[in-house]
Amino acid sequence: DTGVSQDPRHKITKRGQNVTFRCDPISEHNRLYWYRQTLGQGPEFLTYFQNEAQLEKSRLLSDRFSAERPKGSFSTLEIQRTEQGDSAMYLCASSFAGGWVEAFFGQGTRLTVV
Amino acid sequence: QKEVEQDPGPLSVPEGAIVSLNCTYSNSAFQYFMWYRQYSRKGPELLMYTYSSGNKEDGRFTAQVDKSSKYISLFIRDSQPSDSATYLCAMSSGSRLTFGEGTQLTVNP
Repeated sequence: DTGVSQDPRHKITKRGQNVTFRCDPISEHNRLYWYRQTLGQGPEFLTYFQNEAQLEKSRLLSDRFSAERPKGSFSTLEIQRTEQGDSAMYLCASSFAGGWVEAFFGQGTRLTVV
Repeated sequence: QKEVEQDPGPLSVPEGAIVSLNCTYSNSAFQYFMWYRQYSRKGPELLMYTYSSGNKEDGRFTAQVDKSSKYISLFIRDSQPSDSATYLCAMSSGSRLTFGEGTQLTVNP
């Protein structure tokens, strides 16, 4: 296993367009997290799944954001009607449910909205 | 007020120096304390975690937690140029992590 994989690594989009990111967690991990990191800041929690169930969402996750993990494996994060303020690094992490402290992060998807 | 405060630096030290990185927090519910290292344009990498007050050592790294003062530290001994990165403290009372803003460290040869 090569760790948490995110695709694409970089995305440039025009304001108002929809974008979708994919995360493939470490295969044995049943928890999957999404975080957002802006320049010079630490990551901020967005949401997490245990298997296919979305158990918690941050207030940062506005109505334009939706995340899915349909089969409890990979996850997608979609942003509709992107705004310039959505420009950030979107990080995915995964862990065992019982070992959630040891979350492993992917390389992130860097989104630029122009 | 942010739940976790971290000195953003930047911090520049000569090779071999002892580095001290610090965070304070306000949420008494935090039970787990972590340090992550993040290289430029990479995802964070977990260095150490602890859940009790006191010290935890791993090689050149020592994590210190003082719950009574709501203060945590990471010490790096014999710092190396390869330690140059951003260091993030993170805390949790459940499944989500709350991060500090990170301290950028440069170790000069």
